[in-house]
Amino acid sequence: DVQLVESGGGLAPRGGSLRLSCAASGFNFSASAIHWVRQASGKGLEWVARITSEANGHRTGFGKPTRGRFIISRDDSKEMAFLQMDSLEIEDTAVYYCRTTEENDFDYWGQGTLVTVSS
Amino acid sequence: SFELTQPSSVSVSPGQTVSITCSGDVLAKKYARWFQQKAGQAPSLLLYKDAERPSGIPERFSGSSSGTTVTLTIRGAQVEDDADYYCYSAADNYQAFGGGTRLTVL
Repeated sequence: DVQLVESGGGLAPRGGSLRLSCAASGFNFSASAIHWVRQASGKGLEWVARITSEANGHRTGFGKPTRGRFIISRDDSKEMAFLQMDSLEIEDTAVYYCRTTEENDFDYWGQGTLVTVSS
Repeated sequence: SFELTQPSSVSVSPGQTVSITCSGDVLAKKYARWFQQKAGQAPSLLLYKDAERPSGIPERFSGSSSGTTVTLTIRGAQVEDDADYYCYSAADNYQAFGGGTRLTVL
């Protein structure tokens, strides 16, 4: 079965940093794109970042609110993905989901990790 | 970048039919996906390529597309369909979700 397990969430000060991890299993990790999607309490889903598969050059893309502050990366040998979050803002407080996609109906999400940025 | 627009909430009685729309210029040239998110859970894929159902998704869920609008239709809504629904699309190096629609079945 496809599994994505996020970790690394917690409390961070405004202006601080956190590094989220996503441990994957049950699928061909190197062939899949990895995304981070966040959801503030009571709010909708917001795309944060994506890194493509090895075959597609590990290209990265970012949503507007996080561009320039967050970095997405992956280690295919360990089947893990990461989200380095710097210059954290109060508005970054949310549950962060790891998501993997390929063509068609291959689209799976982890259970999320909570990030809280304090003032 | 682009935006996707959904109604914030809709309601339906059990057994009736309800539709949720999602509008955005990108939908004229890119496929949409729909996700269902029940309270306290992660989102899960409901439809892809506008109208295709993954295995295990009940036939009462269907999708359609016309121009810059895609529509999710639930025929014979069940109490367990009470959830938030999000459309999603991707183009070039950007992706976006719609704002989400709260479906109340009562």
